[in-house]
Amino acid sequence: DADVTQTPRNRITKTGKRIMLECSQTKGHDRMYWYRQDPGLGLRLIYYSFDVKDINKGEISDGYSVSRQAQAKFSLSLESAIPNQTALYFCATRDRGNTGELFFGEGSRLTVL
Amino acid sequence: QKEVEQNSGPLSVPEGAIASLNCTYSDRVSQSFFWYRQYSGKSPELIMSIYSNGDKEDGRFTAQLNKASQYVSLLIRDSQPSDSATYLCAVNSAGGTSYGKLTFGQGTILTVHP
Repeated sequence: DADVTQTPRNRITKTGKRIMLECSQTKGHDRMYWYRQDPGLGLRLIYYSFDVKDINKGEISDGYSVSRQAQAKFSLSLESAIPNQTALYFCATRDRGNTGELFFGEGSRLTVL
Repeated sequence: QKEVEQNSGPLSVPEGAIASLNCTYSDRVSQSFFWYRQYSGKSPELIMSIYSNGDKEDGRFTAQLNKASQYVSLLIRDSQPSDSATYLCAVNSAGGTSYGKLTFGQGTILTVHP
């Protein structure tokens, strides 16, 4: 089983619908991150969390919200999806400190029609 | 100015050549630097990390860091077709409200042709 699991892996939805992407991890890491990837733009940070009570906005948080339900779970919500939120979304975890690597989930491909 | 910028691609090199990937960053207090490789349709995976000025070698990969110039690079020697992928530079912010934030560049697509 994967250490970082994202669900769903693929989702097609319509404009205005509420969507939740879920992420769970078994690595025991404190830090969790949500990124989106668009062609030619690399990975852009949406939100990150150091623990259940510490959530921070990234570069592109507008239109998104998150919930850290437990150390192992970090969900990303789109309250009212729009077409330009069509992208590949990655959840990642990291141990404490600034030298550790990110461990990524397999990604969730979201299409908003 | 973007926080992390990579040299524009795509980059194409012949098999056996040296591939050079470059990255600049804007936050002077950044302390940790990473190179990730991403194959098409897959998640990024870490290939190199570097924290102090100079070179760090790991097999065919060498990371170079120059904090004064705010520049980090990755050299791939004896490039192989299996090195064909997107390479992502990532920089960790060290201070203030951005502590622990890991920012990526836009990626450079590398193609190694036989």
